[in-house]
Amino acid sequence: EIVLTQSPGTLSLSPGERATLSCRASQSVSSFYVAWYQQRLGQAPRLLIYGASSRATGIPDRFSGSGSGTDFTLTISRLEPEDFAVYFCQHYTRSPPTYTFGQGAKLEIK
Amino acid sequence: EVQLVESGGAVVQPGGSLRLSCAASGFTFDGYTMHWVRQAPGKGPEWVSLITWDGGSTSYAVSVKGRFTISRDNSKNSLYLQMNALTTGDTAMYYCARPVAGMNPHFEYWGQGTLVTVSS
Repeated sequence: EIVLTQSPGTLSLSPGERATLSCRASQSVSSFYVAWYQQRLGQAPRLLIYGASSRATGIPDRFSGSGSGTDFTLTISRLEPEDFAVYFCQHYTRSPPTYTFGQGAKLEIK
Repeated sequence: EVQLVESGGAVVQPGGSLRLSCAASGFTFDGYTMHWVRQAPGKGPEWVSLITWDGGSTSYAVSVKGRFTISRDNSKNSLYLQMNALTTGDTAMYYCARPVAGMNPHFEYWGQGTLVTVSS
């Protein structure tokens, strides 16, 4: 079973700053099956990045994803007030179908 | 516009049953595998179950296998989750979700969720 560990647990930054969130898999995984979600308070998760680096429909280009093997990164180039939320990474395993989420990382206003 | 609207959440006693529904619109429902994903209070999301476009194949998380049954009615653009033998560990917001178009398995569209509380 693949375990995803996100770091840091909480990141305190100011609007306009750059945010870097990490997701480490317990074993090497295919980057095609790595995604990132944003969840604002009281809302459903929102897909930001899939295939490790492809932005989902309507996602601003300040969001970018990268990584391979066991280490994946979500970068927000210049934080907007609406970006302060919780972020989850996720991995899919094909057989049997298994969708694993990280524990989440909170991005809070400093 | 893609819309997913869940319903059926309630407060139920341990050992009880509940049936959740998800009404889909704005896309070709029978063209997609559909999923249920849940999120316990203060926790990350947990995938629950999937059903292929024609209902021919289903899959479940270990935590719900044998207790939950996913189904769909393509004529009604609806997805269902029958939950039996509920425990306090099943308390969560339940979302239906549709994946990205094409072969990518990640969840692009989510409903607003329906809350299931298992408590005596």
